[in-house]
Amino acid sequence: GENVEQHPSTLSVQEGDSAVIKCTYSDSASNYFPWYKQELGKRPQLIIDIRSNVGEKKDQRIAVTLNKTAKHFSLHITETQPEDSAVYFCAASLDQGSGGGADGLTFGKGTHLIIQP
Amino acid sequence: KAGVTQTPRYLIKTRGQQVTLSCSPISGHRSVSWYQQTPGQGLQFLFEYFSETQRNKGNFPGRFSGRQFSNSRSEMNVSTLELGDSALYLCASSPRRSTDTQYFGPGTRLTVL
Repeated sequence: GENVEQHPSTLSVQEGDSAVIKCTYSDSASNYFPWYKQELGKRPQLIIDIRSNVGEKKDQRIAVTLNKTAKHFSLHITETQPEDSAVYFCAASLDQGSGGGADGLTFGKGTHLIIQP
Repeated sequence: KAGVTQTPRYLIKTRGQQVTLSCSPISGHRSVSWYQQTPGQGLQFLFEYFSETQRNKGNFPGRFSGRQFSNSRSEMNVSTLELGDSALYLCASSPRRSTDTQYFGPGTRLTVL
C-alpha cells in the first residue's frame, strides 16, 4: 500500500518569512496530492491540492510543487502570518478517473507550523 | 449548505462494549469517508461508502464496520472496544469520490476506559 513520509514534524518561522513542508510517497501510481490544515480543536480543511498532470499550483500565498520522478511534493507558504499557525497534513491517493472511484487518502504524520511574532 | 455533522461529539465507553457513530454529509454529496485520528498514528483511512456500498477499506480489523443509507448518511460501528480505539473519529463527505474536495465533520471523540 501507499506510504507517505512528511518532514519536518515541527517548523518554527518568523512572521513574514516563508515555510516549506515536504512529503514523499511510495506508490508511483498515486496521482492526487492534497494538503490539509488543522487548527487546534478544529476539523481538517483542504487548502490546496495537485494532480499528477501538473507540476505546480498556486493560490495566493500558498503553492504546491510535485516531482513525480522523485515521488515527492512540497507545500510552500510565503509571507507567513499568525493565522497560518496550525498542523499541516499532506496526503496521497489514486484517482481512478471518471469511470471509477478513488483509493482512500494516505496521510503524512503532520507538521506543526509555528509562526513567531 | 449545511456542513458535515457528526453525532455524538463525545463518547465514553468501557472495554468490550460496542459503539455506533453517525455522520450526515453535505446535501448532494454521495461519498462518505471515515478516518481515525490519534496523536501517535495521525490520520488513518478507515473506509469509504458510496451509494450505500463500501467502496474502499483501510487496514483496520473487522471490529470496525460501517454502512450508508439511501440519503447518504453513514454510520460506523466498533465492536468489542479496546483501549487503543480511543481516538477522534472524523468523517468527510465529497460529491462523488474521496479525490473530490473532501469536507470534514467536527469529529466524535471516543474515550475507551
